[in-house]
Amino acid sequence: KAGVTQTPRYLIKTRGQQVTLSCSPISGHRSVSWYQQTPGQGLQFLFEYFSETQRNKGNFPGRFSGRQFSNSRSEMNVSTLELGDSALYLCASSYLAGQETQYFGPGTRLLVL
Amino acid sequence: DQQVKQNSPSLSVQEGRISILNCDYTNSMFDYFLWYKKYPAEGPTFLISISSIKDKNEDGRFTVFLNKSAKHLSLHIVPSQPGDSAVYFCAASGGGGSNYKLTFGKGTLLTVNP
Repeated sequence: KAGVTQTPRYLIKTRGQQVTLSCSPISGHRSVSWYQQTPGQGLQFLFEYFSETQRNKGNFPGRFSGRQFSNSRSEMNVSTLELGDSALYLCASSYLAGQETQYFGPGTRLLVL
Repeated sequence: DQQVKQNSPSLSVQEGRISILNCDYTNSMFDYFLWYKKYPAEGPTFLISISSIKDKNEDGRFTVFLNKSAKHLSLHIVPSQPGDSAVYFCAASGGGGSNYKLTFGKGTLLTVNP
C-alpha cells in the first residue's frame, strides 16, 4: 500500500497570502488528522476529519480550516498568513478512529516571509 | 498546559547498550499511547503502541512499559543501533467521546554513538 502523501512538499508564501495544502491518506483509511510542527511547540493538533465531517478541532484561530472529500482526501487552508505560521504541516491517516494508530505523511514545509 | 511531557530533550548512548526514553502524562483519561520516531525532513514513523489495559508491549528491539498509577511510560530499545538516532515522540489519545486526537510530547533526541 502506498503511504500518506502530501503536496506540495515545500512552499514559500508572503504575509497576508493564503495557502492550501493537500493530503491523500492510505488507501482505505477514512480518518485524516492535521498537525503543525514548530521547533518551540512540537507537534500540535489542528483538526480531524472522518467521512467528510470535522470531528475534532485544536486550539488554532479560524484562519486555519480544512475539509475532506468523499474519497477521503483532505485539504487544509490557511488564510491571511502570518510569519508565525511557518512550520511543518503534517497529515496523518487511520482507518477509523479511537484506538487506531495514525500514520503520517512526509509533511509540507511552509515558509512565510 | 502540557499534558504529555518528555523531560529529557536529548539522550546519548553507546551502540549495543539500552536506550530508555521516558514520558509522563497528566490526563488520566488517556487510554492509548504511542511512540513515533522522526528523522529530519520526514514525517513521524509509528514505532509501537500500548493500550491502557496492558502494562507492557514488545516488538523486536522495542518495548514500551506503561505505569498507569504513576502516569508514566517508557520506551526501551535494546540493543541500540546508530540507525536509531532520531527524535522520539511520545503521544497519547483518549478521553472518550470523539476525542481521538493525538497529544504529543516535545520529543527526545536520541543519539546512538558507534
